Amino acid sequence: QVQLVESGGGVVQPGRSLRLSCAASGFSFITYGMHWVRQAPGKGLEWVAVTWWDGVDKEYADSVKGRFTISRDNSKNTLYLQMNSLRVEDTAVYYCTNFDYWGQGTLVTVSS
Amino acid sequence: DVVMTQSPLSLPVTLGQPASISCRSSQSLVHSDGNTYFNWYQQRPGQSPRRLIYEVSNRDSGVPDRFSGSGSGTDFTLKISRVEAEDVGVYYCMQGTHWPPWTFGQGTKVEIK
Repeated sequence: QVQLVESGGGVVQPGRSLRLSCAASGFSFITYGMHWVRQAPGKGLEWVAVTWWDGVDKEYADSVKGRFTISRDNSKNTLYLQMNSLRVEDTAVYYCTNFDYWGQGTLVTVSS
Repeated sequence: DVVMTQSPLSLPVTLGQPASISCRSSQSLVHSDGNTYFNWYQQRPGQSPRRLIYEVSNRDSGVPDRFSGSGSGTDFTLKISRVEAEDVGVYYCMQGTHWPPWTFGQGTKVEIK
């Protein structure tokens, strides 16, 4: 069955970096655009970034543009999110999704 | 950006009774290819979102037939014909026609009276 398993979350100080990973299985990873969506504690869903099938074309939310980088390795069926210059307001559960299926999420807490 | 506005934001319902959630977009969600890229998601407490309905009215595999989606253009509705205890959670609408960004409604919290 389809599985999306995120990892890499944790507690980090403002200004530092973190890299999230999402291991995909059970579907044809290469045929999907893959997204990161985040959810701040007690809040709604916010789209963060997308990478299309070839990993060349990418789009970002204005709130993370210039700080976050999305990438993918189709040989490993894995999606990544490199998060630099983290801010307190980046605190959220980060989900990997193709909008058909969602992972369980990984919590990123930015705090001094 | 397309703004998605859900109502109500809180929906107390009696078990076995119907429920309805509205979602309005700030512009038509009809894509130039003729499709309408509009989905409904359910997020049960402590869980990740799960897609219920895609392209306005298509129910996902495994979704009970008490859930139905309808609408067109800028106005969309999710209906639950008879609410069950397992339907408690937050429901989100999402548009994927005009991107970036993909945008979500604020969420509607369904609870049992």
